[in-house]
Amino acid sequence: GQQVMQIPQYQHVQEGEDFTTYCNSSTTLSNIQWYKQRPGGHPVFLIQLVKSGEVKKQKRLTFQFGEAKKNSSLHITATQTTDVGTYFCAGIVGGGADGLTFGKGTHLIIQP
Amino acid sequence: DTAVSQTPKYLVTQMGNDKSIKCEQNLGHDTMYWYKQDSKKFLKIMFSYNNKELIINETVPNRFSPKSPDKAHLNLHINSLELGDSAVYFCASSQVNLPLDTQYFGPGTRLTVL
Repeated sequence: GQQVMQIPQYQHVQEGEDFTTYCNSSTTLSNIQWYKQRPGGHPVFLIQLVKSGEVKKQKRLTFQFGEAKKNSSLHITATQTTDVGTYFCAGIVGGGADGLTFGKGTHLIIQP
Repeated sequence: DTAVSQTPKYLVTQMGNDKSIKCEQNLGHDTMYWYKQDSKKFLKIMFSYNNKELIINETVPNRFSPKSPDKAHLNLHINSLELGDSAVYFCASSQVNLPLDTQYFGPGTRLTVL
């Protein structure tokens, strides 16, 4: 069953507001990857976190990996209309024999 | 110069038909994948091929058969299509057969079964 949970499923924000999506696993993750899928597009790799407690930034995006390597978050500061899309986390669950397990994604809707 | 390409982009067909989706990558990657994305945007891996060898086969009906003529191509053949097969199918590739490796996705094929 689904072992990588992501919340919220949908998030409506006003342009300029901040946005955060959370990813949780019941088991320790070897790594966590984040992807963005624009409406009508395909998932595009954003970043990978490997180390416990790791924090990485990409302009207005901040990615965190929990100390226990069971959770991660993506925070966007001052959202813009170009941030619209679905954000997926993906991790290696167990030994990795099944490849990446994707969360169900958070759909970010921005109101101008 | 598209890195991962898929054809067709859209596929509309009747229940019971057999169809194929083609995928090609020009990145020189060793591993290719097929993912299914349902109407709720849930992405689930179906198959993975590494050097023409199937290395992952999730609980996918045997009506789905991946075929890899060479390292740069991974096609998906579907027999006896059912309504529940309607989805977007994404091909992807990665450099090596490591789950840690970045997945490069193709543009997707939207399959509609009537």
